[in-house]
Amino acid sequence: HLQLQESGPGLVKPSETLSLTCTVSGGSISSSTYYWGWIRQPPGKGLEWIGSIYYSGSTYYNPSLKSRVTISVDTSKNQFSLKLSSVTAADTAVYYCARSPSRYLDSSGYSIDIWGQGTMVTVSS
Amino acid sequence: EIVLTQSPGTLSLSPGEGATLSCRASQSVGTSNLAWYQQKPGQAPRLLIYGASNRATGIPDRFSGSGSGTDFTLTISRLEPEDFAVYYCQHYGSSPLYTFGQGTKLEIK
Repeated sequence: HLQLQESGPGLVKPSETLSLTCTVSGGSISSSTYYWGWIRQPPGKGLEWIGSIYYSGSTYYNPSLKSRVTISVDTSKNQFSLKLSSVTAADTAVYYCARSPSRYLDSSGYSIDIWGQGTMVTVSS
Repeated sequence: EIVLTQSPGTLSLSPGEGATLSCRASQSVGTSNLAWYQQKPGQAPRLLIYGASNRATGIPDRFSGSGSGTDFTLTISRLEPEDFAVYYCQHYGSSPLYTFGQGTKLEIK
């Protein structure tokens, strides 16, 4: 079955760029059925969608973060990546990668059906 | 942008009781676009309900979703110890693509 695994530094300095990679196993990232995205959760707080990418490279970003976010896909490695620039302490969070359908599916609708385990990223000097 | 407001913020109940969690949208949304998730400490969220009322694979039938327009409900008919967690509703839209409610914490009384 398909699994997602986040990787990247757990500590980033203020003003620098946060970079994370999500590796997809047990399935192809090149599926035309799905978006591949990033969601974050600050400690003790709720969930915030950051952005998603389609296998073709089309991207969709949260307007609140759009100026600082870049999501890219590497189909040859079955990976997609997140870059968040000019980070501050407010970007400290658990970052999840996730899969969601690009069209309504009888099995999961439009929901986010598979999540990675999450990786904690702390912004601190 | 659709804003989802969940209530109550915290719900204190005992195992065996029933739970009713609310999610209100700032404007009418399609039922196809509304989902519910369960999150336990240290874990990623897990999909419970999609399309407002459809249980995801492997979800027990004590979980049910209902609603339309701006008002949606997640009902847990008989609480099991493992059901105490935080629950989020989520909307699939255009921009942003996904919006979450702030969550309802279901705690043991």
